Amino acid sequence: KNQVEQSPQSLIILEGKNCTLQCNYTVSPFSNLRWYKQDTGRGPVSLTIMTFSENTKSNGRYTATLDADTKQSSLHITASQLSDSASYICVVSRLTGGGNKLTFGTGTQLKVEL
Amino acid sequence: DGGITQSPKYLFRKEGQNVTLSCEQNLNHDAMYWYRQDPGQGLRLIYYSQIVNDFQKGDIAEGYSVSREKKESFPLTVTSAQKNPTAFYLCASREQGNTEAFFGQGTRLTVV
Repeated sequence: KNQVEQSPQSLIILEGKNCTLQCNYTVSPFSNLRWYKQDTGRGPVSLTIMTFSENTKSNGRYTATLDADTKQSSLHITASQLSDSASYICVVSRLTGGGNKLTFGTGTQLKVEL
Repeated sequence: DGGITQSPKYLFRKEGQNVTLSCEQNLNHDAMYWYRQDPGQGLRLIYYSQIVNDFQKGDIAEGYSVSREKKESFPLTVTSAQKNPTAFYLCASREQGNTEAFFGQGTRLTVV
């Protein structure tokens, strides 16, 4: 069954600290993996995309990793800011006869506090 | 500015009524999608359309209907047959062959 699981479900950290969010998937055949940031009451916005051959990709203070062998990805946030408070969603794309199909994780709710 | 617009942002519906959620995009994307988001669950696909005048059921289509008469527009109707319609609804679009979905700001529907 094609699934995407994220952990932790929620996380609270102090401003300036680092954190790492996890994503495990069983989606096959794998096409790519994206991390999205969703602010409360808004639509998700793409942060990074990882393809099969990529191990690490950075976007400012966000760094995503991918281990295609173990089917795991992580999103590391460095020097967190209050504006990082949001839900982070892992989305895995798989190839089907009808094109790419997206499977969404349930998200990690991050809260950054003073 | 290019983007995808959903309206209204908040919608209240009485039980037994049908309501229509609007979704418009000016990104020239062929594919459009409707998702439902509930607390503690991932986005679930309701309906999608890969081309004008064609649409397909997603994983939870029961109680919903859509139309795709124009490339730019993909309205979703939540019918009285939907047993638990209170949720956050997200519309998205993407280019064919591209996996990045561009989302609208969402519509929060509450049944009162």
